[in-house]
Amino acid sequence: KQEVTQIPAALSVPEGENLVLNCSFTDSAIYNLQWFRQDPGKGLTSLLLIQSSQREQTSGRLNASLDKSSGRSTLYIAASQPGDSATYLCALRALGNEKLTFGTGTRLTIIP
Amino acid sequence: DAGVIQSPRHEVTEMGQEVTLRCKPISGHDYLFWYRQTMMRGLELLIYFNNNVPIDDSGMPEDRFSAKMPNASFSTLKIQPSEPRDSAVYFCASSYYRSGNEQFFGPGTRLTVL
Repeated sequence: KQEVTQIPAALSVPEGENLVLNCSFTDSAIYNLQWFRQDPGKGLTSLLLIQSSQREQTSGRLNASLDKSSGRSTLYIAASQPGDSATYLCALRALGNEKLTFGTGTRLTIIP
Repeated sequence: DAGVIQSPRHEVTEMGQEVTLRCKPISGHDYLFWYRQTMMRGLELLIYFNNNVPIDDSGMPEDRFSAKMPNASFSTLKIQPSEPRDSAVYFCASSYYRSGNEQFFGPGTRLTVL
Protein backbone atom coordinates (compact mmCIF):
# COMPACT_ATOMS: atom_id res chain seq x y z
CA LYS A 1 0.00 0.00 0.00
CA GLN A 2 1.33 3.40 -1.02
CA GLU A 3 2.17 5.70 1.89
CA VAL A 4 2.81 9.37 1.30
CA THR A 5 4.48 11.51 3.93
CA GLN A 6 5.02 15.24 4.07
CA ILE A 7 7.44 16.59 6.65
CA PRO A 8 7.29 19.04 8.31
CA ALA A 9 3.60 19.35 9.02
CA ALA A 10 4.00 23.11 9.43
CA LEU A 11 6.62 25.61 8.31
CA SER A 12 7.06 29.36 8.89
CA VAL A 13 9.39 31.36 6.67
CA PRO A 14 10.15 35.10 6.39
CA GLU A 15 8.92 36.77 3.23
CA GLY A 16 11.39 36.76 0.36
CA GLU A 17 13.14 33.54 1.28
CA ASN A 18 13.32 30.51 -0.97
CA LEU A 19 11.94 27.30 0.50
CA VAL A 20 11.51 23.60 -0.21
CA LEU A 21 8.58 21.39 0.68
CA ASN A 22 9.11 17.63 0.84
CA CYS A 23 7.01 14.65 -0.19
CA SER A 24 8.12 11.05 0.38
CA PHE A 25 6.44 7.92 -0.94
CA THR A 26 7.01 4.21 -0.45
CA ASP A 27 6.05 2.72 -3.82
CA SER A 28 7.94 3.98 -6.87
CA ALA A 29 5.46 2.44 -9.34
CA ILE A 30 3.70 5.72 -9.94
CA TYR A 31 2.10 7.19 -13.06
CA ASN A 32 2.37 10.81 -12.03
CA LEU A 33 2.59 13.14 -9.05
CA GLN A 34 0.57 16.28 -8.51
CA TRP A 35 1.16 19.21 -6.14
CA PHE A 36 -1.82 21.16 -4.82
CA ARG A 37 -2.36 24.11 -2.54
CA GLN A 38 -5.37 24.48 -0.30
CA ASP A 39 -6.38 27.76 1.28
CA PRO A 40 -8.43 27.63 4.50
CA GLY A 41 -12.04 26.73 3.77
CA LYS A 42 -11.34 26.36 0.07
CA GLY A 43 -10.88 23.60 -2.46
CA LEU A 44 -7.61 22.31 -3.85
CA THR A 45 -5.79 24.21 -6.57
CA SER A 46 -3.55 22.20 -8.87
CA LEU A 47 -0.06 23.68 -9.03
CA LEU A 48 2.07 21.22 -11.00
CA LEU A 49 1.77 17.77 -12.51
CA ILE A 50 4.88 15.65 -13.07
CA GLN A 51 4.68 12.51 -15.19
CA SER A 52 6.74 9.54 -14.04
CA SER A 53 9.08 9.97 -17.00
CA GLN A 54 9.85 13.58 -16.05
CA ARG A 55 12.36 14.88 -13.53
CA GLU A 56 10.88 18.31 -12.94
CA GLN A 57 8.23 20.84 -13.87
CA THR A 58 8.26 24.60 -13.50
CA SER A 59 5.53 27.19 -13.27
CA GLY A 60 6.51 30.75 -12.42
CA ARG A 61 8.19 30.77 -9.01
CA LEU A 62 7.40 27.10 -8.45
CA ASN A 63 9.58 24.15 -9.37
CA ALA A 64 8.68 20.56 -8.60
CA SER A 65 11.11 17.67 -8.88
CA LEU A 66 10.59 13.92 -8.88
CA ASP A 67 13.08 11.19 -7.96
CA LYS A 68 11.32 7.85 -8.13
CA SER A 69 14.40 5.85 -7.14
CA SER A 70 14.58 7.60 -3.80
CA GLY A 71 10.81 7.96 -3.40
CA ARG A 72 10.93 11.73 -3.12
CA SER A 73 9.45 14.85 -4.63
CA THR A 74 10.17 18.42 -3.69
CA LEU A 75 8.33 21.66 -4.34
CA TYR A 76 10.64 24.66 -4.48
CA ILE A 77 9.12 28.11 -4.00
CA ALA A 78 11.33 31.05 -4.91
CA ALA A 79 11.08 34.50 -3.37
CA SER A 80 8.20 33.59 -1.08
CA GLN A 81 5.27 36.00 -0.61
CA PRO A 82 2.55 36.24 2.05
CA GLY A 83 0.08 35.06 -0.60
CA ASP A 84 1.92 31.74 -0.71
CA SER A 85 0.61 30.94 2.78
CA ALA A 86 -1.54 27.82 2.44
CA THR A 87 -1.45 24.07 2.97
CA TYR A 88 0.50 22.24 0.27
CA LEU A 89 -0.42 18.66 -0.60
CA CYS A 90 1.30 16.17 -2.85
CA ALA A 91 -0.68 13.34 -4.40
CA LEU A 92 0.46 10.27 -6.32
CA ARG A 93 -1.34 8.33 -8.99
CA ALA A 94 -0.35 4.67 -9.21
CA LEU A 95 0.26 2.81 -12.46
CA GLY A 96 -2.94 1.39 -13.92
CA ASN A 97 -5.07 3.28 -11.47
CA GLU A 98 -6.83 6.62 -11.47
CA LYS A 99 -6.78 6.99 -7.70
CA LEU A 100 -4.73 9.71 -6.07
CA THR A 101 -3.06 8.96 -2.76
CA PHE A 102 -2.62 12.20 -0.84
CA GLY A 103 0.07 13.20 1.60
CA THR A 104 -0.81 14.71 4.95
CA GLY A 105 0.17 18.20 3.82
CA THR A 106 2.51 20.97 4.96
CA ARG A 107 0.94 24.14 6.31
CA LEU A 108 3.11 27.01 5.11
CA THR A 109 3.08 30.47 6.67
CA ILE A 110 5.02 33.32 5.08
CA ILE A 111 5.81 35.99 7.63
CA PRO A 112 5.68 39.56 6.23
CA ASP B 1 -14.34 27.51 -18.27
CA ALA B 2 -15.99 28.00 -14.89
CA GLY B 3 -14.16 25.07 -13.35
CA VAL B 4 -15.80 22.33 -11.34
CA ILE B 5 -19.05 23.53 -9.79
CA GLN B 6 -20.50 22.11 -6.59
CA SER B 7 -23.73 22.82 -4.79
CA PRO B 8 -24.68 23.55 -2.15
CA ARG B 9 -21.56 25.12 -0.64
CA HIS B 10 -22.82 24.54 2.87
CA GLU B 11 -25.40 22.09 4.15
CA VAL B 12 -26.65 21.73 7.69
CA THR B 13 -29.07 18.92 8.36
CA GLU B 14 -30.33 16.75 11.15
CA MET B 15 -29.42 13.15 11.72
CA GLY B 16 -31.58 10.80 9.69
CA GLN B 17 -32.27 13.23 6.87
CA GLU B 18 -31.34 12.61 3.26
CA VAL B 19 -28.56 14.76 1.83
CA THR B 20 -27.81 15.23 -1.86
CA LEU B 21 -24.62 16.88 -3.05
CA ARG B 22 -24.25 17.98 -6.66
CA CYS B 23 -21.35 18.39 -9.03
CA LYS B 24 -20.85 19.72 -12.54
CA PRO B 25 -17.45 18.73 -13.94
CA ILE B 26 -15.37 20.75 -16.36
CA SER B 27 -16.79 20.40 -19.86
CA GLY B 28 -15.00 17.72 -21.86
CA HIS B 29 -13.53 15.92 -18.88
CA ASP B 30 -14.09 12.18 -18.87
CA TYR B 31 -13.27 11.35 -15.25
CA LEU B 32 -15.16 12.48 -12.17
CA PHE B 33 -14.10 11.88 -8.56
CA TRP B 34 -15.82 12.31 -5.21
CA TYR B 35 -13.61 12.90 -2.14
CA ARG B 36 -14.24 13.49 1.52
CA GLN B 37 -11.94 15.53 3.75
CA THR B 38 -11.83 15.43 7.54
CA MET B 39 -9.25 16.53 10.06
CA MET B 40 -8.81 12.97 11.30
CA ARG B 41 -8.56 11.12 7.99
CA GLY B 42 -7.45 13.76 5.51
CA LEU B 43 -8.60 13.37 1.91
CA GLU B 44 -10.28 10.10 1.01
CA LEU B 45 -11.46 9.01 -2.42
CA LEU B 46 -15.04 7.76 -2.23
CA ILE B 47 -15.82 6.84 -5.84
CA TYR B 48 -14.83 7.73 -9.36
CA PHE B 49 -16.49 7.56 -12.78
CA ASN B 50 -15.12 7.24 -16.29
CA ASN B 51 -17.43 8.32 -19.10
CA ASN B 52 -20.33 8.33 -16.62
CA VAL B 53 -19.69 4.73 -15.52
CA PRO B 54 -18.69 4.03 -11.89
CA ILE B 55 -15.28 2.38 -11.93
CA ASP B 56 -14.26 2.08 -8.29
CA ASP B 57 -16.56 2.63 -5.32
CA SER B 58 -14.41 0.84 -2.76
CA GLY B 59 -14.03 4.05 -0.80
CA MET B 60 -17.74 4.50 -0.19
CA PRO B 61 -18.01 4.02 3.56
CA GLU B 62 -21.27 2.09 3.68
CA ASP B 63 -24.58 1.49 1.96
CA ARG B 64 -25.93 4.81 3.17
CA PHE B 65 -23.78 6.44 0.51
CA SER B 66 -24.63 6.31 -3.19
CA ALA B 67 -23.43 8.21 -6.24
CA LYS B 68 -24.76 8.61 -9.74
CA MET B 69 -23.65 10.24 -12.95
CA PRO B 70 -26.63 10.33 -15.32
CA ASN B 71 -24.75 12.33 -17.95
CA ALA B 72 -21.35 13.85 -18.66
CA SER B 73 -22.19 17.14 -17.01
CA PHE B 74 -23.79 16.13 -13.73
CA SER B 75 -23.18 13.88 -10.76
CA THR B 76 -24.77 13.45 -7.34
CA LEU B 77 -23.60 12.00 -4.06
CA LYS B 78 -26.42 11.00 -1.76
CA ILE B 79 -26.34 10.09 1.91
CA GLN B 80 -29.45 8.46 3.32
CA PRO B 81 -29.87 8.47 6.26
CA SER B 82 -27.22 10.95 7.34
CA GLU B 83 -25.31 10.61 10.62
CA PRO B 84 -23.17 13.09 12.60
CA ARG B 85 -20.00 11.20 11.63
CA ASP B 86 -20.71 12.09 8.00
CA SER B 87 -19.88 15.72 8.79
CA ALA B 88 -16.99 16.66 6.50
CA VAL B 89 -16.11 18.63 3.41
CA TYR B 90 -17.01 16.77 0.23
CA PHE B 91 -15.07 17.58 -2.91
CA CYS B 92 -15.77 16.76 -6.51
CA ALA B 93 -12.92 16.71 -9.03
CA SER B 94 -12.67 16.05 -12.74
CA SER B 95 -9.90 15.22 -15.18
CA TYR B 96 -9.19 14.47 -18.84
CA TYR B 97 -7.00 11.55 -19.77
CA ARG B 98 -5.34 13.38 -22.66
CA SER B 99 -3.94 15.96 -20.25
CA GLY B 100 -2.37 13.31 -18.05
CA ASN B 101 -5.45 13.15 -15.87
CA GLU B 102 -4.50 16.23 -13.90
CA GLN B 103 -7.33 16.55 -11.41
CA PHE B 104 -9.17 19.83 -10.91
CA PHE B 105 -11.18 20.26 -7.75
CA GLY B 106 -14.39 22.08 -7.00
CA PRO B 107 -14.79 24.39 -3.99
CA GLY B 108 -16.36 21.67 -1.89
CA THR B 109 -19.56 21.25 0.11
CA ARG B 110 -19.23 21.60 3.87
CA LEU B 111 -21.73 19.18 5.41
CA THR B 112 -22.76 19.38 9.04
CA VAL B 113 -25.06 16.70 10.41
CA LEU B 114 -26.52 17.59 13.80
